Formats: sequence, C-alpha cells, structure tokens
Amino acid sequence: GNSVTQMEGPVTLSEEAFLTINCTYTATGYPSLFWYVQYPGEGLQLLLKATKADDKGSNKGFEATYRKETTSFHLEKGSVQVSDSAVYFCALSRSGGGADGLTFGKGTHLIIQP
Amino acid sequence: NAGVTQTPKFQVLKTGQSMTLQCAQDMNHEYMSWYRQDPGMGLRLIHYSVGAGITDQGEVPNGYNVSRSTTEDFPLRLLSAAPSQTSVYFCASSRANEKLFFGSGTQLSVL
Repeated sequence: GNSVTQMEGPVTLSEEAFLTINCTYTATGYPSLFWYVQYPGEGLQLLLKATKADDKGSNKGFEATYRKETTSFHLEKGSVQVSDSAVYFCALSRSGGGADGLTFGKGTHLIIQP
Repeated sequence: NAGVTQTPKFQVLKTGQSMTLQCAQDMNHEYMSWYRQDPGMGLRLIHYSVGAGITDQGEVPNGYNVSRSTTEDFPLRLLSAAPSQTSVYFCASSRANEKLFFGSGTQLSVL
C-alpha cells in the first residue's frame, strides 16, 4: 500500500536558518505529492503540491521537487521566520487533488527561535 | 467565509455512548472526507464521499458510520464510543482534483 515517511521532530532552528524537512514515499503508479501545514489550534492548509515527476511546488518561500528516481519530496526554505513555526505534513494521493483520500506522514513539528 | 464548519469543538464521552460529529461546507464541494489525528500517527482517512448518496471506507473505518444526504453535510457517527476513539477529528472538502479545505477539528475524549 501507499505510505509516507518524514523526518521526526521537533526540529528547532534559529530565525533566518535554512530549512530542510525530508519526505520519502512508497506508492504504486504516479501519485500527486503535497505538503500541508498546521498552525496551533487550526486545521491543515495546503502549502504546495506537485503532480508529476520533476515538478517543483512553491509557496511562501517554501519549495519541494517531485523526485521519482529517489521517491522523495523534500521541503526546503532558504530563510525561516518565527511565523513558520507549525507542524508540517507530507502527503500523497492517487488523484490530482487528493479528494478521494490522502495518505499522510506523521508530521514534523518545526520550532523557529528568534 | 464559513468554509468547512465542524461542531462541537470539544466533546467528552463515556465508553458505550453514541454521538455524531457534524461537518458542513458552504462551497458546493462534491468531495468530503473525515480524518482522525493521533499523536505520532499523522492523519488517517476514516470515510469519504464523492457526492450526495455515495460514501466509501478509508483506512480506519471500524467503529464509525457516515451518510451523505446533502451536498453540504457529512456527519460522522460513533455508535458505541471506545477509549481507542479518543482523537482529534478533521473534516475536509474539495472539488475533484483541487486542494482540500479542512475544518478546525473536534477534540474527542472517551473515558
């Protein structure tokens, strides 16, 4: 079956540091890949997505590239801010948007210190 | 701008009690789904619906029932609550091949 593995947290960084959160997946066929973010007390919000190999998703300074050869979708940001503190989830779906169900990783708690 | 609305936000049940978690969306989305979020487990799909009158099971459906009589509403029913169902529950909606919109969650404790 499908599965997503992402690095365990919490990850603690200083403001303006470079961020990488690793994500690898196992799936049949050609899934779409997503990063969702959850701020304290809120539901999840889509951060970025990629629907085919070599696509790069980007939003709010975050980027991730769909690497089929390494089955990875690592999240990166060049300079993090305190406001980026949240839980980040990597996910995959069989369909373009995931409307029929997403498979999530366990989440990575990111803490940015001023 | 209501989006996806879940009620209640918090609930405490005793083992064996029944209850319904409500979910409503005002975006005319055909797809709706329920997830549970447990510490160290991420989110897992319970049930989903691709339109009114159509539902299907997700990864962890046991102990939960759903129905979809209208496009707007997708309630999740616990017929006989168990401590293993203590979790945070999220409802989501979307159009086909578009991003999911999540509600703010229901925190459920079963004693």
